[in-house]
Amino acid sequence: NAGVTQTPKFRVLKTGQSMTLLCAQDMNHEYMYWYRQDPGMGLRLIHYSVGEGTTAKGEVPDGYNVSRLKKQNFLLGLESAAPSQTSVYFCASSHDRAGDTQYFGPGTRLTVL
Amino acid sequence: GQQLNQSPQSMFIQEGEDVSMNCTSSSIFNTWLWYKQDPGEGPVLLIALYKAGELTSNGRLTAQFGITRKDSFLNISASIPSDVGIYFCAGLDQFYFGTGTSLTVIP
Repeated sequence: NAGVTQTPKFRVLKTGQSMTLLCAQDMNHEYMYWYRQDPGMGLRLIHYSVGEGTTAKGEVPDGYNVSRLKKQNFLLGLESAAPSQTSVYFCASSHDRAGDTQYFGPGTRLTVL
Repeated sequence: GQQLNQSPQSMFIQEGEDVSMNCTSSSIFNTWLWYKQDPGEGPVLLIALYKAGELTSNGRLTAQFGITRKDSFLNISASIPSDVGIYFCAGLDQFYFGTGTSLTVIP
């Protein structure tokens, strides 16, 4: 049981490049989330999903897209990376209702030059 | 967007001391959560609070859901070196996280 895994762990992009971050969970959780963490800002919710085939915007969705084609995977895409998207990205999942325990992945450190 | 204010921002304490930190908001939340994050890791849930006034313990940790539903408190008793990390509060309905309290425990 690996829990929540994220790939890649580190990535450096040039402005304007695109990339996709992959989150996978093996706990059969319905809810999945993408956060970004910046110094002094805590974690901010980018997008989330309440089940396979569904996505919803969080607090800071601009510049990102997501997809949940399979229940166990939640993809975060950057179509045209900007330096402001330099951050550490965390994926999380939970069983059902929003108050349930969220399990976090180890994070992806992204730098956009 | 919504912001939860945590204080203090950082703490340096001696091993064995008790620790108190709090989280306040201008909005009401129905659930308060407290997480701990170790360096290079994702946050791990410590305590969840679901009712105003609720007091919940998890080992040496005790957290309270404020009566006004706009604040929450976390206490750590008899701190040990492995308590080092960043502590975050989070409020629901949407997941809004606080700015974090960095704790350093001096042996």
